[in-house]
Amino acid sequence: EDQVTQSPEALRLQEGESSSLNCSYTVSGLRGLFWYRQDPGKGPEFLFTLYSAGEEKEKERLKATLTKKESFLHITAPKPEDSATYLCAVQGGSGYSTLTFGKGTMLLVSP
Amino acid sequence: DGGITQSPKYLFRKEGQNVTLSCEQNLNHDAMYWYRQDPGQGLRLIYYSQIVNDFQKGDIAEGYSVSREKKESFPLTVTSAQKNPTAFYLCASISRTGALSSGANVLTFGAGSRLTVL
Repeated sequence: EDQVTQSPEALRLQEGESSSLNCSYTVSGLRGLFWYRQDPGKGPEFLFTLYSAGEEKEKERLKATLTKKESFLHITAPKPEDSATYLCAVQGGSGYSTLTFGKGTMLLVSP
Repeated sequence: DGGITQSPKYLFRKEGQNVTLSCEQNLNHDAMYWYRQDPGQGLRLIYYSQIVNDFQKGDIAEGYSVSREKKESFPLTVTSAQKNPTAFYLCASISRTGALSSGANVLTFGAGSRLTVL
C-alpha cells in the first residue's frame, strides 16, 4: 500500500525566511510525485510533477526536489501570498492507478 | 476557458436526506474522480470512472453512489447511509491520452463543494 507522510503539519514563517517542506513516501514503482497548492475553501492547484530521483523543478520562489524516499519543497524568501496548504501525492504501480495524498503542510507567512 | 465546475458550492442537508453534488468538465478528459477532504486529513478517494458507463469504488465508497452517463458529467450522491457526511468534496479529472504519453497522471480539480449536515 502506498503511503505519504508530510511534515511539518504546520509552519509559520516571517516574510523572507526561507524553509523547506518534507514529503516522505513509500510506493511500489514510483510513476510520479506531485505537489499541489490549496487555498482555504478552494480546490488544489497543480504545481509540479517529479518522475525520478535527482529531478528538480522550479517555479518562482518554489523548488521541488526528489530522492528515492522523499521530496522537498523549498520556499525561498516567501511572501504572505505563499500562505496555503501544500499537498504531496504519489502514483505508483501500473496502468491507471490512483494517487495517494499526504495530509498536507499548512504554511503561514507573516509580513 | 476549460475547467471543472462543481455545484453547489455550499449545501446543507438534514439527517436522512440524500443529496447530489454536480461535477461537469469541458476539458474532454476521460477519467473523473471524487475525493473527500476533512480537516487535518489527506484527500480520500470515494469513486472514480475511467470511461463512460463504468466506475470503481475508492477507499471510502460506503454511503455514496455515482453515475457516468456522459463523458462530461460525474455526479456524486451522498446517501442517508453515509454516517458522517459533513466534509469538503472535490471532483477531479484527467486525460487518459496525457497519462499514456507521460507515464504519470496530473489531476485537475474543481473548486469543491462543502456539505454540512444539520
